[in-house]
Amino acid sequence: QKEVEQNSGPLSVPEGAIASLNCTYSDRVSQSFFWYRQYSGKSPELIMSIYSNGDKEDGRFTAQLNKASQYVSLLIRDSQPSDSATYLCAVNRETSYDKVIFGPGTSLSVIP
Amino acid sequence: KAGVTQTPRYLIKTRGQQVTLSCSPISGHRSVSWYQQTPGQGLQFLFEYFSETQRNKGNFPGRFSGRQFSNSRSEMNVSTLELGDSALYLCASSQGYSPIRTQYFGPGTRLLVL
Repeated sequence: QKEVEQNSGPLSVPEGAIASLNCTYSDRVSQSFFWYRQYSGKSPELIMSIYSNGDKEDGRFTAQLNKASQYVSLLIRDSQPSDSATYLCAVNRETSYDKVIFGPGTSLSVIP
Repeated sequence: KAGVTQTPRYLIKTRGQQVTLSCSPISGHRSVSWYQQTPGQGLQFLFEYFSETQRNKGNFPGRFSGRQFSNSRSEMNVSTLELGDSALYLCASSQGYSPIRTQYFGPGTRLLVL
């Protein structure tokens, strides 16, 4: 089992719809979680971080964390064509000075 | 505040050569991580430096090495280049070295090995 898994995609949604991206992780002691957006040919850009169970909202983005179920999701409301990118989930373990673990990414395409 | 900078942005090398890539972290950031990204393998961790010491290392051969200077700038070196080393090399910096750290990426260096 991979440490961090994501929907392989590609995920296609119409403009204005809600895009839902999911990420599961295997290490129960994971404590901090990040979502990065990466446009084709560019470097990853931090969108959100979340540390506590529940929802965290930032503009059109909402991150949801459920540590008991070991998953974290990213919702994008009112999706725009400019949201078309690959979304990477990353996980830190609070109890270890280990490397940050990245998922394989989910490709999102927002259709006008 | 300026972001993470990487030089050069593009490189073309031939097999057997060596290459050195440079990364300057965000001002005040002292931790630097390096990643290799290819279409088939995704983002793969190379190594992480803090206070001039390598703190973590990924599963790459010894041809890949790095170092960090007292000003937190970091370099990575790849010797005896192979075709499979063609990739986007990303550097990410974080403020400190703690289990909970947020990484910010530079624009990357795109390496093509012919």
